Amino acid sequence: KAGVTQTPRYLIKTRGQQVTLSCSPISGHRSVSWYQQTPGQGLQFLFEYFSETQRNKGNFPGRFSGRQFSNSRSEMNVSTLELGDSALYLCASSLDPSSEQYFGPGTRLTVT
Amino acid sequence: QQQVKQSPQSLIVQKGGISIINCAYENTAFDYFPWYQQFPGKGPALLIAIRPDVSEKKEGRFTISFNKSAKQFSLHIMDSQPGDSATYFCAASKGSNYQLIWGAGTKLIIKP
Repeated sequence: KAGVTQTPRYLIKTRGQQVTLSCSPISGHRSVSWYQQTPGQGLQFLFEYFSETQRNKGNFPGRFSGRQFSNSRSEMNVSTLELGDSALYLCASSLDPSSEQYFGPGTRLTVT
Repeated sequence: QQQVKQSPQSLIVQKGGISIINCAYENTAFDYFPWYQQFPGKGPALLIAIRPDVSEKKEGRFTISFNKSAKQFSLHIMDSQPGDSATYFCAASKGSNYQLIWGAGTKLIIKP
């Protein structure tokens, strides 16, 4: 069974631009969560989707948004990028919101 | 009250020794405590998890010890091997809300 895939793996953007990251969950998994990982703040929860609905949202500004499609694939978008948005963005999928999460390799975003 | 405090920040253990990483939490509503292992360039991978109804769970060389009254849990890696060198994260969540609250991580180095 294929694992969680994230595209792209690496991304370099300029301040003020916007970016879209993609996540394909494990086949059959309907829940997708997004996390931001930085050396200073560690792993922080961004949001969680289940059956195309956002169930939870972390403490991030409105520049961070996401969505989930009917095939459970998910995208997250960051608008008006700031230097501090440079991070590893991780996607995790699970069968449902109460099941164990499996992480993808992440997308390394660098904002210059 | 949402924090999970993890220690130590880094740990060096000789091959064959026991590695011990500790976590403490405040929120008594937490009822799921997983440990994740992360290698460089990879997403976190679920290692082992415990719920408060048991005080210990063992899977191979990995053991979680849980002390509900002290609100602490720890990961023990027996017979530590160089391949165990990674960053380890503890986490906690409550109920069906599967938003994981993460510890800061411990960088473990096993010396051959």
